[in-house]
Amino acid sequence: SYELTQPPSVSVSPGQTARITCSGDALPKQFVYWYQQKSGQAPILVIYRDTERPSGIPERFSASTSGTTVTLTITGVQAEDEADYHCQAADNSGSDLVVFGGGTKLTVL
Amino acid sequence: EVQLVQSGAEVKKPGESLKISCKGSGYTFTSNWIAWVRQRPGKGLEWMGIIYPGDSDTRYSPSFQGQVTISADKSTSTAFLQWSSLRASDTAMYYCARSVAAGLTTYFDSWGQGTLVTVSS
Repeated sequence: SYELTQPPSVSVSPGQTARITCSGDALPKQFVYWYQQKSGQAPILVIYRDTERPSGIPERFSASTSGTTVTLTITGVQAEDEADYHCQAADNSGSDLVVFGGGTKLTVL
Repeated sequence: EVQLVQSGAEVKKPGESLKISCKGSGYTFTSNWIAWVRQRPGKGLEWMGIIYPGDSDTRYSPSFQGQVTISADKSTSTAFLQWSSLRASDTAMYYCARSVAAGLTTYFDSWGQGTLVTVSS
């Protein structure tokens, strides 16, 4: 089955830039979606269709693509950005509709 | 404002049945698919399946096909997830989410607060 690979953890100091990657063989041909999940809360959508931000999501959240890797970038990280971040795409193998990455824990030092 | 409100936490024994719910408001319930997503303790998100409340068309992830049943009642704008015989491995948080069709996949623009299901003897 198709897999999306994320690093288990990323750590940054407040005000720095955090970069969280999501890798998958088929990503050049499909959109990626990103969800933020704070501790004890439900996920929320922060990026859709690779680079679009839903209304209400701060401008410091952005995303870019390069080959088989998509990167979620948080510029000027704030303490409130500490959360798990999950990427999502279509299952390229065709056996399923949705696949999630394993999630990345962002720690703000 | 789109809202999905889920039923409360459940504690069950192995072998028992269970049905949890997700009530939508703030939008036309029959116009969007509703998905269910599992999150085991300390783990990532797993997509379980999806239903279109307008006609109850349902799709399951192969990992969950035959393990759960997804249904919906459009008269009450409520989607359901049910088990006929729970196992300890079903212990998890379960989220419903409103789905937006996107080509070969879908994504989730609004989520319920989650229902914690604990299965223990």
